[in-house]
Amino acid sequence: EVQLVESGGGLVQPGGSLRLSCAASGFSFSNHWMRWFRQAPAKGLEWVATINEDGGDKYHADSVKGRFTISRDNAKRSLYLQMDSLRAEDTALYYCARVAQEASDYWGQGILVTVS
Amino acid sequence: DIVMTQSPLSLPVTPGEPASISCRSSQSLLHSNGNNYLHWYLQKPGQSPQLLIYLGSNRASGVPDRFSGSGSGTDFTLKISRVEPEDVGVYYCMQTLQPPIAFGQGTRLENK
Repeated sequence: EVQLVESGGGLVQPGGSLRLSCAASGFSFSNHWMRWFRQAPAKGLEWVATINEDGGDKYHADSVKGRFTISRDNAKRSLYLQMDSLRAEDTALYYCARVAQEASDYWGQGILVTVS
Repeated sequence: DIVMTQSPLSLPVTPGEPASISCRSSQSLLHSNGNNYLHWYLQKPGQSPQLLIYLGSNRASGVPDRFSGSGSGTDFTLKISRVEPEDVGVYYCMQTLQPPIAFGQGTRLENK
């Protein structure tokens, strides 16, 4: 069974940092691109970042470029999102998701980040 | 950047009746490989989004056959042949042809 479990969220002051982790199991992690998405309270879905299988290609949304960095450790079957210079508008539920057939077919349960 | 526009934004439906959601993109989502990089999701209340349809018209694993996706280029449609009570939630279309990945605003389907 495919499982994605996010951790590392919480309350942080503006300007602070957090590192989100996503532990993957039930599939060959090193063979899949991965993505981070987020959803602000009572808002729609927003793409945050994408990383390819070996971590050599990374893409970030303009809203987080220069502040957030996606990375992965295939040996640990883990995906990360380093978030620096956090702002109030970064407050959201953050999801990691697996990429398959160009879509994101499995999503984690989400982890809440509150910047206040 | 590609902009995704869904309609309607709210859709009251009587269980057993059909439902249809439209998604339009500001640029063609047709890749040179012949696939449309357009996907549909349902986010049920309090849950993570779940993939319904990928690459325009392919049902994801475990998705009931009452859900179907169609369209090509810039115009896409998600159809539910007979709405069930458990289908309530917010439906999103998403394009992955080019970064930034973009979602539609979401369509809230609710029981009438």
